[in-house]
Amino acid sequence: EAQVTQNPRYLITVTGKKLTVTCSQNMNHEYMSWYRQDPGLGLRQIYYSMNVEVTDKGDVPEGYKVSRKEKRNFPLILESPSPNQTSLYFCASKRRGGGSNTGELFFGEGSRLTVL
Amino acid sequence: AQSVTQPDIHITVSEGASLELRCNYSYGATPYLFWYVQSPGQGLQLLLKYFSGDTLVQGIKGFEAEFKRSQSSFNLRKPSVHWSDAAEYFCAVGPNNNDMRFGAGTRLTVKP
Repeated sequence: EAQVTQNPRYLITVTGKKLTVTCSQNMNHEYMSWYRQDPGLGLRQIYYSMNVEVTDKGDVPEGYKVSRKEKRNFPLILESPSPNQTSLYFCASKRRGGGSNTGELFFGEGSRLTVL
Repeated sequence: AQSVTQPDIHITVSEGASLELRCNYSYGATPYLFWYVQSPGQGLQLLLKYFSGDTLVQGIKGFEAEFKRSQSSFNLRKPSVHWSDAAEYFCAVGPNNNDMRFGAGTRLTVKP
């Protein structure tokens, strides 16, 4: 089954304790992206990756890191989490392309993070 | 920069009634437009998309949307709502599919 898998789905942590949210897709997609969802703000892009070893900042990258060492994995790293990073996080992937070659974004089920 | 406005935070309709969710965008050129649906506890699923051509696009689950350039709108419609349509709906706009901006979402409640 084609899917994007995120772990953990739920996490409560404390300020400053490094954490990683993993994301894996099994569709051989080049493009992967992280979003955070906050009430009244919709989804905002954190980082995205067009392919292995190629990453770029989205709209709200502060406080986050990513890496893309393998095509299927795109982990999101919070080196020193703070309470304003409490949010619902989504990973998404699609085949690369723009213009008329537009692939559908496939989303994971989300990871709800609470930073105390 | 592109932006999306969904004026309605929450809409309630009766089952069987028609539905229209509004989306207005700001973009300097012809945009790429999308509607996604998020069921409770789930990720987002693409309902439909517009890139060019016919301004009325059909999507999954009986939804359609119409691109109106003169009004900078891309409203989502469904003639008869089902209880399973209760969810949150997001409009998104981009210069392409790699760089999209999402609206704040509209939560749909369906009354029996």
